[in-house]
Amino acid sequence: DAGVTQSPTHLIKTRGQHVTLRCSPISGHKSVSWYQQVLGQGPQFIFQYYEKEERGRGNFPDRFSARQFPNYSSELNVNALLLGDSALYLCASSFSQQETQYFGPGTRLLVL
Amino acid sequence: AQSVSQHNHHVILSEAASLELGCNYSYGGTVNLFWYVQYPGQHLQLLLKYFSGDPLVKGIKGFEAEFIKSKFSFNLRKPSVQWSDTAEYFCAVNEAWGTYKYIFGTGTRLKVLA
Repeated sequence: DAGVTQSPTHLIKTRGQHVTLRCSPISGHKSVSWYQQVLGQGPQFIFQYYEKEERGRGNFPDRFSARQFPNYSSELNVNALLLGDSALYLCASSFSQQETQYFGPGTRLLVL
Repeated sequence: AQSVSQHNHHVILSEAASLELGCNYSYGGTVNLFWYVQYPGQHLQLLLKYFSGDPLVKGIKGFEAEFIKSKFSFNLRKPSVQWSDTAEYFCAVNEAWGTYKYIFGTGTRLKVLA
């Protein structure tokens, strides 16, 4: 069975640019969460979507936005990139909000 | 605010040694508890989880963890580590209601010497 997939795997952007990261959940999973993992730290919660609605938001600026599509895949968008946005962005899916989350391999974003 | 503390940032053990990694959380309500592992070059994988019931939970690869509610702790143990256990280990907590967002600790890097 396919796990959570994310694209792209790596990305290099410059300050001020915009980026879109994509996530496909495990088949049958309806909830997607996004996390940011900076080197040396644990993942930090950004968003949770369930049934295409935002169900939770972490302490991230409005430059970060996300959406979930009818097929339950999801996009994370970051505008006006800053150097500090360089991180591994993780997507996790679960059958429902309260079920165990399973993580994808992540997208490594480098902002120059 | 919720937080998770992992006291050991780096641990080095020889093969066959016993392992215990500490995890404490701060939250007064009902929580679910998790240990995830990240092997070199791989993504986060679930080792074990506690939702309710027996506070001693067994996971994959011989790992177990004990939930002690009075101490707000969920320590990870393995009686005899192997070289292949070299990885980074993350403790995580989520509220058993609301957004169910996961709060992660900063991780413990385990190196097992052959």
